[in-house]
Amino acid sequence: QQQVKQSPQSLIVQKGGISIINCAYENTAFDYFPWYQQFPGKGPALLIAIRPDVSEKKEGRFTISFNKSAKQFSLHIMDSQPGDSATYFCAAGPSGGYQKVTFGTGTKLQVIP
Amino acid sequence: DVKVTQSSRYLVKRTGEKVFLECVQDMDHENMFWYRQDPGLGLRLIYFSYDVKMKEKGDIPEGYSVSREKKERFSLILESASTNQTSMYLCASTDWETQYFGPGTRLLVL
Repeated sequence: QQQVKQSPQSLIVQKGGISIINCAYENTAFDYFPWYQQFPGKGPALLIAIRPDVSEKKEGRFTISFNKSAKQFSLHIMDSQPGDSATYFCAAGPSGGYQKVTFGTGTKLQVIP
Repeated sequence: DVKVTQSSRYLVKRTGEKVFLECVQDMDHENMFWYRQDPGLGLRLIYFSYDVKMKEKGDIPEGYSVSREKKERFSLILESASTNQTSMYLCASTDWETQYFGPGTRLLVL
């Protein structure tokens, strides 16, 4: 089973601070790395995704940093807000089609006012 | 907007019962997935289907089966429910890479 290791399991950040979640993967054939956000009572929803041809992708306050040689990628949430409080899952897999992705174990983020 | 619906939000069943969890998507997606979500374990793939009547085992298929008779509907079957199958079950469909999830079914097996 291909693993994706995610840390930390939980995170508490002050409003306005930076939240950082880290993931590491094993399979060098993986070339698609999405992050999903899940609010209580809802299913996960795609937040942002990156491919290994770039080292960083930014969408608003959310940034993915990607280190191909280390097989690691991370999610940074700048100016964290209470509305960002959710569980975040990283994932990795081959791009396209029904090629399934492997999910990390999740990080529960709480942003306190 | 893509919509993935699951037949029940909460379900309570007895050990040994046969349980059906149903998922319907309205976007004509080819691929559908069943996951279970447990604290500290993340999302684990049970089965997926890439076409009608086609299915593939995921990482934890033991104790489960699936059915896909129509493109829009993917059912997860617990032939004989056990207490270790108490979990949140999530269905997803995908147009290519993005997975669209349903709201989940929280199953309690007593």
